[in-house]
Amino acid sequence: SQQGEEDPQALSIQEGENATMNCSYKTSINNLQWYRQNSGRGLVHLILIRSNEREKHSGRLRVTLDTSKKSSSLLITASRAADTASYFCATQSAGSSYKLIFGSGTRLLVRP
Amino acid sequence: NAGVMQNPRHLVRRRGQEARLRCSPMKGHSHVYWYRQLPEEGLKFMVYLQKENIIDESGMPKERFSAEFPKEGPSILRIQQVVRGDSAAYFCASSPPSWDRDTQYFGPGTRLTVL
Repeated sequence: SQQGEEDPQALSIQEGENATMNCSYKTSINNLQWYRQNSGRGLVHLILIRSNEREKHSGRLRVTLDTSKKSSSLLITASRAADTASYFCATQSAGSSYKLIFGSGTRLLVRP
Repeated sequence: NAGVMQNPRHLVRRRGQEARLRCSPMKGHSHVYWYRQLPEEGLKFMVYLQKENIIDESGMPKERFSAEFPKEGPSILRIQQVVRGDSAAYFCASSPPSWDRDTQYFGPGTRLTVL
């Protein structure tokens, strides 16, 4: 079964607005990662946050992790049309540190 | 440093034929992972290999699917007697040696269509 579930499944915003995506998971994790996938393409690694971290930034991306609630959020600030893609969270658990368990993704559309 | 390479990018097979998908990891990476993505879904882990060894194949169907990562050459995911349900995108990822395996670098994928 899927470890992570993203919310919402789809999100449509205007260019310049912020986009927030959430991810929930079920078991103890070593880390949680966010990936982007453009339509019909491979995955691009965006950011990794470890279980002992609460927040991490990378450019216009901000990721939070709440291990007590088993949830994470990805915030993209000042969105651009080029941010249109599917975004997936993936976890690596303590018991199987190499295996990435993906959620079903959030499809983001940024309207110009 | 070239990224993870997969070929072919698109593969069309008729039911009952064999599909062979190839993956060349990034230079210096000795760990390879295969994932499958069905339409509108996330990726699902299939198998994890190191050179000449299968470490974890728990996500791979027991029948018709096999994977190898020989001492020389690319990793191969082989699907025998394909069925329509095998139609999916198959992604390969690689990671550096054990002490830095958290991040996996993905290839562009092979999109398999079974007619």
